[in-house]
Amino acid sequence: GESVGLHLPTLSVQEGDNSIINCAYSNSASDYFIWYKQESGKGPQFIIDIRSNMDKRQGQRVTVLLNKTVKHLSLQIAATQPGDSAVYFCAENEGSWGKFQFGAGTQVVVTP
Amino acid sequence: DVKVTQSSRYLVKRTGEKVFLECVQDMDHENMFWYRQDPGLGLRLIYFSYDVKMKEKGDIPEGYSVSREKKERFSLILESASTNQTSMYLCASTDTDSLSYEQYFGPGTRLTVT
Repeated sequence: GESVGLHLPTLSVQEGDNSIINCAYSNSASDYFIWYKQESGKGPQFIIDIRSNMDKRQGQRVTVLLNKTVKHLSLQIAATQPGDSAVYFCAENEGSWGKFQFGAGTQVVVTP
Repeated sequence: DVKVTQSSRYLVKRTGEKVFLECVQDMDHENMFWYRQDPGLGLRLIYFSYDVKMKEKGDIPEGYSVSREKKERFSLILESASTNQTSMYLCASTDTDSLSYEQYFGPGTRLTVT
């Protein structure tokens, strides 16, 4: 029969507001983290990365914060735009090119 | 511009058929990956390859095999498709020598097995 998948958490944001997307990770040995954006019908696209020796990293309109104590990662998007509507997910690994563990993602919906 | 392409965007196959999903990257990357993506479950790694003719099992290799005969091409094979293999399949590649471990993804193949 048809399998029923889990529903993604959804963040509804008004255009122009800031967005904060959270991610909890489980592996204490994780050393490297990436945020990806996946628009409908497309493959994931790299947004920003951060290594465990940093707490914060900024890109264009995006900031990633890492709290290793509580194993938490967040992505902040400034002045959210309609083009930011997508699924965002984090990925972690132990600091190499190899295997990543991916989060399930958060659906961001930008409303006018 | 970096590019990963997948042979089909949509595919419908019958139970028991042998299915080939092809992935090609033009970045001369050593490492290539096959994932499946299901709603609410995130990406799960099926197989990866770090060199021509080399392969490693990922987290969910059962029911799948892979082939890497050329550096730019990584194929995923479903030996005998089953309905629980209905999913979105994503291919990715990455460069071992890069300072970033960013994986470059293809657009995905949505496979339906009936």
